[in-house]
Amino acid sequence: GENVEQHPSTLSVQEGDSAVIKCTYSDSASNYFPWYKQELGKGPQLIIDIRSNVGEKKDQRIAVTLNKTAKHFSLHITETQPEDSAVYFCAAPNQAGTALIFGKGTTLSVSS
Amino acid sequence: EADIYQTPRYLVIGTGKKITLECSQTMGHDKMYWYQQDPGMELHLIHYSYGVNSTEKGDLSSESTVSRIRTEHFPLTLESARPSHTSQYLCASSDTTAGTEAFFGQGTRLTVV
Repeated sequence: GENVEQHPSTLSVQEGDSAVIKCTYSDSASNYFPWYKQELGKGPQLIIDIRSNVGEKKDQRIAVTLNKTAKHFSLHITETQPEDSAVYFCAAPNQAGTALIFGKGTTLSVSS
Repeated sequence: EADIYQTPRYLVIGTGKKITLECSQTMGHDKMYWYQQDPGMELHLIHYSYGVNSTEKGDLSSESTVSRIRTEHFPLTLESARPSHTSQYLCASSDTTAGTEAFFGQGTRLTVV
């Protein structure tokens, strides 16, 4: 079945720096790759997603890149701010296409 | 803002009690899911539903059960709560397949003492 690996598990940056979180997946048929942000006491919320027919997608300070050949995708946050501090999850559809399988999460801390 | 609601937000209950965690969505989504989130924050799928009268077990074995009598409602029940059931439970819904955005509720933090 699909397996999603996420690194690093924790990431600390200074305000204004960039942050990069990487995920690898195992099922070459996967075609949808979302990123979720979970703040304390809340449920995960989608921040950006990418489909397998494009290599990169940007939305203001966040971007996602996809390398289908290597089966990995990355979240890039530029000009980080303290409010970016949260747990970030990557995901991909399971092999049956019935639900999303999530990475183990990355705790991002942005210090001012 | 996602229109998916979970109640209660927090629940502390004694061992052996029966509990039902409520989840409702007003988006008309066919697919709904329950995830269990462990202390390390990892999300594990425990149940999902394609639509009314459809329920399936997820990747992580769970002693809980679910029902889907109405499109908008997907409650999770534990017949006899145990301390090992202490966890965060997250409900989600999506429009069609797993290839579309899943919207999450705020979660229920369950503690069994």
